[in-house]
Amino acid sequence: DAKTTQPPSMDCAEGRAANLPCNHSTISGNEYVYWYRQIHSQGPQYIIHGLKNNETNEMASLIITEDRKSSTLILPHATLRDTAVYYCIVRVYGQNFVFGPGTRLSVLP
Amino acid sequence: GAGVSQSPRYKVAKRGQDVALRCDPISGHVSLFWYQQALGQGPEFLTYFQNEAQLDKSGLPSDRFFAERPEGSVSTLKIQRTQQEDSAVYLCASSSRRQGWETQYFGPGTRLLVL
Repeated sequence: DAKTTQPPSMDCAEGRAANLPCNHSTISGNEYVYWYRQIHSQGPQYIIHGLKNNETNEMASLIITEDRKSSTLILPHATLRDTAVYYCIVRVYGQNFVFGPGTRLSVLP
Repeated sequence: GAGVSQSPRYKVAKRGQDVALRCDPISGHVSLFWYQQALGQGPEFLTYFQNEAQLDKSGLPSDRFFAERPEGSVSTLKIQRTQQEDSAVYLCASSSRRQGWETQYFGPGTRLLVL
C-alpha cells in the first residue's frame, strides 16, 4: 500500500504556481520522498526527490517539513503542458516504487 | 540519448491468446522493472531484474505471467492464456545505480486489451 496521502485533484491557473501537497506521516528516517508525474498516455516521468533538505531543479521545487511528515511540490509557473497526474512516493533506496492514485492537476488557461 | 522504448504500443488479444511485450531499456542501465497500470490507477510493480537476474517477481499476479531478460538488456513480459482482467497498460522502467542516486525512467507503455 502507498504510504502517502494526496488530494485526488487540483486546479491551477496558467502562469501561477502550482503547490501540490503530500502527507507521509509514517515516513521513516531512511525513506526518500520522490515525485513523478504522468501525462496522459505517457509513462511516469521523474520530477524530483529529497530526503530532508529542500530541493530544486529545472522542473520544480520540493519543500519537506522539518518533521518530514509532509511535503509540497511546487511548479513555479504552471503551463498547460503541466496538466498530469502527480505521484508522491516514499521509499527506501533500492526498494520498489509504490504508486498511489496521485493528484490530478489541471492547469487552466 | 534514447529513452526506454516499448513495443508494441497497442495490442489487442482474444481471450486465451498468448502475448509478448518487449522493453528496450536505456543503454547501460542494469536495473529493469515491469509495472501494470489499470485504468485510473497508479502503476503496480510486477517484477525486477538486475542485469539478467530476476531478483523480485513478487508482483506477478499469476503463473500466467512470465518475464525474462536473458542478456541483461532487452526484456520480454509474456502473458499466457490472456484473460479480460489482464487488460491494462504495461510499463517498463530502467535505472542505473551507478549514478550514485537512483531513479527510474519509464517507457511509454504497451496498452493491452483482451477481448
